[in-house]
Amino acid sequence: QVQLVQSGSELKKPGASVKVSCKASGYTFTSYAMNWVRQAPGQGLEWMGWINTNTGNPTYAQGFTGRFVFSLDTSVSTAYLQISSLKAEDTAVYYCARTYYDILTGYLNWFDPWGQGTLVTVSS
Amino acid sequence: DIQMTQSPSSLSASVGDRVTITCRASQGISNYLAWYQQKPGKVPKLLIYAASTLQSGVPSRFSGSGSGTDFTLTISSLQPEDVATYYCQKYNSALLTFGPGTKVDIK
Repeated sequence: QVQLVQSGSELKKPGASVKVSCKASGYTFTSYAMNWVRQAPGQGLEWMGWINTNTGNPTYAQGFTGRFVFSLDTSVSTAYLQISSLKAEDTAVYYCARTYYDILTGYLNWFDPWGQGTLVTVSS
Repeated sequence: DIQMTQSPSSLSASVGDRVTITCRASQGISNYLAWYQQKPGKVPKLLIYAASTLQSGVPSRFSGSGSGTDFTLTISSLQPEDVATYYCQKYNSALLTFGPGTKVDIK
């Protein structure tokens, strides 16, 4: 079945970096876009942006430029989120989630499925 | 950018009640709207897409309606397992936005 499996929880100190992986299975990886969604403790869902799995081109939502990098390794159907210069406010669960990308309209669509989430805790 | 709002922010209802959640877009988005359910401590789950199409496997007590700027998610008969936060999401471009969520619990 279609599945996204993320790497495990991380505990990092402020200023460090973290790289979260998201391995896809059950479908052709390059036929769908991969998105990242953040959920801070007790807060709602926040779309961070997406990466075109055909071209590797990332698009970052407002507020997620500079320290956030999306990347791919298509040989192992895996997407990555790297966050550098970590701050306490980066403490959150990070989800990867698949969407379809319509090349004709330029639209993404709904998120399905989702990875199980990766908790990143930033604390000294 | 298009902003999404939801009302109410939380509600408490009895088992068997009809529950309606509203999502509003700051500009028209046709029917490019999805709804998700997130139970406490769990991964969000797609309920509805294209404003009114029920995702496979989702109970028929869930329904969605609306177009343009105003949308509703209805639970026809609230069940204990429906305790969750519900989010709308617009997708009428390559910029995706969630609503702030509506928390539903049992009275």
